[in-house]
Amino acid sequence: EPEVTQTPSHQVTQMGQEVILRCVPISNHLYFYWYRQILGQKVEFLVSFYNNEISEKSEIFDDQFSVERPDGSNFTLKIRSTKLEDSAMYFCASHEGGRPNTGELFFGEGSRLTVL
Amino acid sequence: AQKITQTQPGMFVQEKEAVTLDCTYDTSDPSYGLFWYKQPSSGEMIFLIYQGSYDQQNATEGRYSLNFQKARKSANLVISASQLGDSAMYFCAMREASGGYQKVTFGTGTKLQVIP
Repeated sequence: EPEVTQTPSHQVTQMGQEVILRCVPISNHLYFYWYRQILGQKVEFLVSFYNNEISEKSEIFDDQFSVERPDGSNFTLKIRSTKLEDSAMYFCASHEGGRPNTGELFFGEGSRLTVL
Repeated sequence: AQKITQTQPGMFVQEKEAVTLDCTYDTSDPSYGLFWYKQPSSGEMIFLIYQGSYDQQNATEGRYSLNFQKARKSANLVISASQLGDSAMYFCAMREASGGYQKVTFGTGTKLQVIP
């Protein structure tokens, strides 16, 4: 069964360092997303990406965050200068597209980021 | 206003019994989709079931069924014959086709504990 894969599964970094989280969405999917979940809290939308550009972003997704699809398969989330409050589980997700009220949103297993 | 409301922060159920997890939603978009995800303690997000706003019948997937009441804007998850492995956080989520793109909003989750 096709799946969304994420690397690394866990990253520990020092405050102020840059972090890149990587995702490989399902190959025929057109919509890509990043979500985050601070420990014990709900899953929060960060950004959606379609046709090689950001289609929507939340207020959490400030100038410290960026996304790109460098090579047609990977979908990356970069945090330029990490803060303690960036510690969370980051989920990548993808969706096939088509009619908006159909189909499953596939999630990766998450990348746990710990900022010290 | 909250887009997705899960009013039960925690629920207990006896093994082999059925349990209903509540979810209400708020949207003015006529086309939307509703999801339930399971998040075990290991952290990954596992898709359980999907209901489209235009679907005439309630969705079912094995022991999971979605009690979709459109007029009341509720999408409760019913788990029949609970198993110990069902103990997890359960998130209700909604996808709206706002602006041609698709954004998924999650509820705060319900922690289900299955008792032997």
